[in-house]
Amino acid sequence: AQRVTQPEKLLSVFKGAPVELKCNYSYSGSPELFWYVQYSRQRLQLLLRHISRESIKGFTADLNKGETSFHLKKPFAQEEDSAMYYCALSRTNTDKLIFGTGTRLQVFP
Amino acid sequence: EADIYQTPRYLVIGTGKKITLECSQTMGHDKMYWYQQDPGMELHLIHYSYGVNSTEKGDLSSESTVSRIRTEHFPLTLESARPSHTSQYLCASSGLRGVDYGYTFGSGTRLTVV
Repeated sequence: AQRVTQPEKLLSVFKGAPVELKCNYSYSGSPELFWYVQYSRQRLQLLLRHISRESIKGFTADLNKGETSFHLKKPFAQEEDSAMYYCALSRTNTDKLIFGTGTRLQVFP
Repeated sequence: EADIYQTPRYLVIGTGKKITLECSQTMGHDKMYWYQQDPGMELHLIHYSYGVNSTEKGDLSSESTVSRIRTEHFPLTLESARPSHTSQYLCASSGLRGVDYGYTFGSGTRLTVV
């Protein structure tokens, strides 16, 4: 069965420290991976997609098919990065997303 | 401004009542979705629609029903609410796959059944 695992419920770092939010998936096909973010009192919104290969707000994520991972990274965390982050997977030829349980990132000053 | 709207934001209702959670989008998206999320848990897909008169159940079994009579409107109905239905319900929509593809989410409805 398809599954997205985010092993950390909470990740706390100080401002300026590197951040890595882990995401592993299980899917035998060719997945499309996403990171969604929810800031305090705001809606869930798309942060980035692996297909785009972009850096958004300093965050990057590389799809590693060998390790079935899609970790989200930022070299220098900012206080405004504090939010809930969800990894999601879309199966081949479908628009339905499977979400992980989310990781809360806290960035302390 | 093109957006997706959910009402109400919060709803407290008694057991046995019939409720409808509203979701409307003005982006012209064909695909719409309902997700259910309990605190600290992942989002579970309960219904989706690929267009008018097209609705299917999601991965998580739900006693709710949906309809898609108009492209912009995707309401979710519970005929008889129970405490086990207490949860957050998120509506989302998506358009054609392209550079900016992704879900647009509504603000959610937090439902409490007492």
